[in-house]
Amino acid sequence: GQQLNQSPQSMFIQEGEDVSMNCTSSSIFNTWLWYKQDPGEGPVLLIALYKAGELTSNGRLTAQFGTTRKDSFLNISASIPSDVGIYFCAGNSDNDYKLSFGAGTTVTVRA
Amino acid sequence: GAGVSQTPSNKVTEKGKYVELRCDPISGHTALYWYRQSLGQGPEFLIYFQGTGAADDSGLPNDRFFAVRPEGSVSTLKIQRTERGDSAVYLCASSFGQVGTDTQYFGPGTRLTVL
Repeated sequence: GQQLNQSPQSMFIQEGEDVSMNCTSSSIFNTWLWYKQDPGEGPVLLIALYKAGELTSNGRLTAQFGTTRKDSFLNISASIPSDVGIYFCAGNSDNDYKLSFGAGTTVTVRA
Repeated sequence: GAGVSQTPSNKVTEKGKYVELRCDPISGHTALYWYRQSLGQGPEFLIYFQGTGAADDSGLPNDRFFAVRPEGSVSTLKIQRTERGDSAVYLCASSFGQVGTDTQYFGPGTRLTVL
């Protein structure tokens, strides 16, 4: 399947700091998605991106679809304790319903 | 409204046994997906249904794995002769099945442990 490289693997941040993580693909994607997964739960969609260059915000979250269509980043501004969790990037190609996921970025917030 | 539900939430079985995992998708969603998530990894695609038929089963690891969706709603993932390497969280997702801007909604998963 398609390979997604997500970095960093984990991060410890201070409450109030901004967080940035990114994802690169070995092939072109038509959709980039960012999910958050809490323990014992399934992934929950945070932001969906459908066009190269697109920049989309959802509250304190901002994500961009890279212009090469092979990368995306997610920013979290002014982190709070409930931002703790595992963040996954995912994407798919044209007419391909199945999603390919990165390995996740584990975020831990120090109060 | 109700989200995707999966039962059981946890399943412990012995090597060589047969297991069934159930998924109830969101009402009205025609597309249903099964993914497998190993510890420390992202979900990996197993199989995709559009209606009653398996449109893509390219992710099933071998012929011990099989899934059905006989009425186009509930789906069952079946694993025969389980092996310790089958231990993982099995996630189900559903969507409206529209090309382009389709959003997959995930259930909480079934944690399978093979002893």
